[in-house]
Amino acid sequence: AQSVSQHNHHVILSEAASLELGCNYSYGGTVNLFWYVQYPGQHLQLLLKYFSGDPLVKGIKGFEAEFIKSKFSFNLRKPSVQWSDTAEYFCAVTSGTNDYKLSFGAGTTVTVRA
Amino acid sequence: DADVTQTPRNRITKTGKRIMLECSQTKGHDRMYWYRQDPGLGLQLIYYSFDVKDINKGEISDGYSVSRQAQAKFSLSLESAIPNQTALYFCATSEGGGAGIGEQFFGPGTRLTVL
Repeated sequence: AQSVSQHNHHVILSEAASLELGCNYSYGGTVNLFWYVQYPGQHLQLLLKYFSGDPLVKGIKGFEAEFIKSKFSFNLRKPSVQWSDTAEYFCAVTSGTNDYKLSFGAGTTVTVRA
Repeated sequence: DADVTQTPRNRITKTGKRIMLECSQTKGHDRMYWYRQDPGLGLQLIYYSFDVKDINKGEISDGYSVSRQAQAKFSLSLESAIPNQTALYFCATSEGGGAGIGEQFFGPGTRLTVL
């Protein structure tokens, strides 16, 4: 069964700092990769996704992620965070044979201090 | 974004009570899902449905049942609620295939507390 690991449980940083959240998955075949964000009190929203093509994916609100197939990784980055980026971030994966099954990581809580 | 709606948004109930959570969508998607979210565990899939006549168990279906009343409606029931079912419940939808495979759209969630 595929699994998704997010290395950081809670990240605290100051405004304008750079952010990188790690995500690794276990499935060896074709995968579709996602980062979702959950702002306090709100539902999950899609930040960005990777299906194929350029492994560097740009999403909303200045976020980007890089798919490195050899490392089974899909890390999320933002060069300069804002207080409004305070949220919980989830990495998720579907595999080529089970495209309906979205496997989530445990999530990383990001707190940005003004 | 009101494409996926859930009712109620919050519910407090007692052990042993029957509870139904409802989900409606206007996205026209065939596939619908129910998840629960617990702190530190991410989201776990309870049930999923590919269409009205196709309902499947997810990772943690014990203690839950579902009903797909129409393409747009998917309800989750707790027949006899227990305290460890206290969680945040999300409904989600997705297209049936082709481009966009795997991308799911989430409702606002229902916070359920079982005393």
